[in-house]
Amino acid sequence: DADVTQTPRNRITKTGKRIMLECSQTKGHDRMYWYRQDPGLGLRLIYYSFDVKDINKGEISDGYSVSRQAQAKFSLSLESAIPNQTALYFCATSESTGASNQPQHFGDGTRLSIL
Amino acid sequence: TQLLEQSPQFLSIQEGENLTVYCNSSSVFSSLQWYRQEPGEGPVLLVTVVTGGEVKKLKRLTFQFGDARKDSSLHITAAQPGDTGLYLCAGAPAGNNRKLIWGLGTSLAVNP
Repeated sequence: DADVTQTPRNRITKTGKRIMLECSQTKGHDRMYWYRQDPGLGLRLIYYSFDVKDINKGEISDGYSVSRQAQAKFSLSLESAIPNQTALYFCATSESTGASNQPQHFGDGTRLSIL
Repeated sequence: TQLLEQSPQFLSIQEGENLTVYCNSSSVFSSLQWYRQEPGEGPVLLVTVVTGGEVKKLKRLTFQFGDARKDSSLHITAAQPGDTGLYLCAGAPAGNNRKLIWGLGTSLAVNP
C-alpha cells in the first residue's frame, strides 16, 4: 500500500463547483504539503501544515482552502473551481525534525480538469 | 524571492551518452535534494547533499554540491532508457527549514 494516498486520482468537473481533494498518510509524519504542478511552472506550494493546529499559506493559496483533520489527513478544497485551476495536484509529507535535509514523500497526484 | 534555475529544461539523448543537469541560485542553501518524477507518479527522492563540495554517487548518477552551497549538478554516465523522467532539484534555504525552493525541472528522454 502507498504511504501517501491521494483521492481521487482523476477528476473532471465544471466551473463553479466545490471540489475536495483528500490526502492520507501512514508514514507518521507531522508535516504535510499541497502543491500544484503545471507545465513550465514546476511545483508550486499551495498550503502546508506542520501539525494539526498549524496551517500556513504557500505561494499560491488564493482560491484554495485546507483542513488538517488529523495528523494523517490533510484535505484541499477549491470553493468555486475555475478553469485555470486545472492542474496536477500533489500531497507530500516530511518529518518534523529541525534538520533542513528531510525529504518530502509524495503521493501519486490528482489530475484535475475544470471545464 | 529565492530561485533555483535548472538547465537544460529539455534533453533528448541516445542510450549510452553522458549528460549533466545543472541547478543554480544566487542564494545559499543548507541542503539540496534531487528528485526524479515519472509519468503518473509523484517525485521520488534520489539524494540529499548537505556539505559544500560534497559529491555523492548513486550507481551511474553523480551529484555534486557547489563549494558555496549555491549550486548543484547531476551527471549521468552511459544513460539508459530507464533514466527517462523529470529531474527536479529542491533547496532548503539557509536559516529556514520550513519549506523547499523548487527548480522547474529537466525533462530527460533517453532513446534506445
